[in-house]
Amino acid sequence: GESVGLHLPTLSVQEGDNSIINCAYSNSASDYFIWYKQESGKGPQFIIDIRSNMDKRQGQRVTVLLNKTVKHLSLQIAATQPGDSAVYFCAARSGSARQLTFGSGTQLTVLP
Amino acid sequence: GAVVSQHPSWVICKSGTSVKIECRSLDFQATTMFWYRQFPKQSLMLMATSNEGSKATYEQGVEKDKFLINHASLTLSTLTVTSAHPEDSSFYICSARDRAGRADTQYFGPGTRLTVL
Repeated sequence: GESVGLHLPTLSVQEGDNSIINCAYSNSASDYFIWYKQESGKGPQFIIDIRSNMDKRQGQRVTVLLNKTVKHLSLQIAATQPGDSAVYFCAARSGSARQLTFGSGTQLTVLP
Repeated sequence: GAVVSQHPSWVICKSGTSVKIECRSLDFQATTMFWYRQFPKQSLMLMATSNEGSKATYEQGVEKDKFLINHASLTLSTLTVTSAHPEDSSFYICSARDRAGRADTQYFGPGTRLTVL
């Protein structure tokens, strides 16, 4: 089955610095990946997604990198702001099912 | 953008009672809705997949008789926690897939905090 994990449970960065959150997945058949942001007491909020036929995708202040060789993806947040403080989850979907499997989450704290 | 609502946002109930949680897609039709459970400082765990007009598909380890799911319309799915116990206290989140949109995209609701005394 699919398992998705994150390398670090917590991450603290200075305001204005760049943040990098990592995620590893195990199923090489996973074809679609999403990063979500979850603030305390709220539902997940879509940040950015990437398909397995791409290795990089950019959004506003965020970039997702996918390395299928080592089954790893990362979320880069540029110029991290206090409002970026939240838990970030990666999720992966395998080709045979449409359900998403979520990683364990990384708590990002932005320091003033 | 697509909006998913949940009601109630929080509920406190006594042990042994049943609680119903609603998940609505407000501006789109959802043929498929998903129910997740999230314990404090943990990830989202898929409980079941709900397809409009058919029986829900439950994940391994999720009791279908305890967590009743009904998806009677294209905009509404309900999760009923029957005979709730303190260990059922959790954050329940639904998501919905837009019938007309990208099949990959799931829109999440704001969650329902259930506390069983």
